[in-house]
Amino acid sequence: EDQVTQSPEALRLQEGESSSLNCSYTVSGLRGLFWYRQDPGKGPEFLFTLYSAGEEKEKERLKATLTKKESFLHITAPKPEDSATYLCAVQAPGSARQLTFGSGTQLTVLP
Amino acid sequence: GAVVSQHPSRVICKSGTSVKIECRSLDFQATTMFWYRQFPKQSLMLMATSNEGSKATYEQGVEKDKFLINHASLTLSTLTVTSAHPEDSSFYICSARDLGTSGETQYFGPGTRLLVL
Repeated sequence: EDQVTQSPEALRLQEGESSSLNCSYTVSGLRGLFWYRQDPGKGPEFLFTLYSAGEEKEKERLKATLTKKESFLHITAPKPEDSATYLCAVQAPGSARQLTFGSGTQLTVLP
Repeated sequence: GAVVSQHPSRVICKSGTSVKIECRSLDFQATTMFWYRQFPKQSLMLMATSNEGSKATYEQGVEKDKFLINHASLTLSTLTVTSAHPEDSSFYICSARDLGTSGETQYFGPGTRLLVL
């Protein structure tokens, strides 16, 4: 069974204080690892897809990396508007292409 | 990125009534859509996979007669909560699978908040 574990559950940072969020996974044949951002009361917003170990993707202050067992979401010099819950998901093999989500990391960036 | 809409954004209904939620992919065609449920401060739980032109596939523990799914076109899937009860109150979110040129991605709708009185 696919499993995704995210840590920490919650993270409070001062504005400008860089940090990383972790997503550990076990899956039989990774087809893709996804990062989403979710604001309260809204649907998840797509950030990145990573397909193979060693792959990296960047978007503004965010950078996602992937190894064979985990993914990191690095946040450089965060701003208060980066406050949100960040969700990691792995894509199951098979025709349905379902996503299995982790429980998320709630990030708060203080001004 | 691609856009997925949901309607309504929130609904309040009396116990025993049925509620229909629509999920539309606005700028791409989606042969597969997914329905999720999310409780406060919890992650997304997959309820069912909706395939255009065929029956939906439900996750274990999800009652297919309770949560009716119809995927009649490549841009529209509907979830009907039949005979809703207070325990069905939740945040329902759909996603649509986009087989884009840069790779496959699931885009999510904004969610529907259901409150059953």
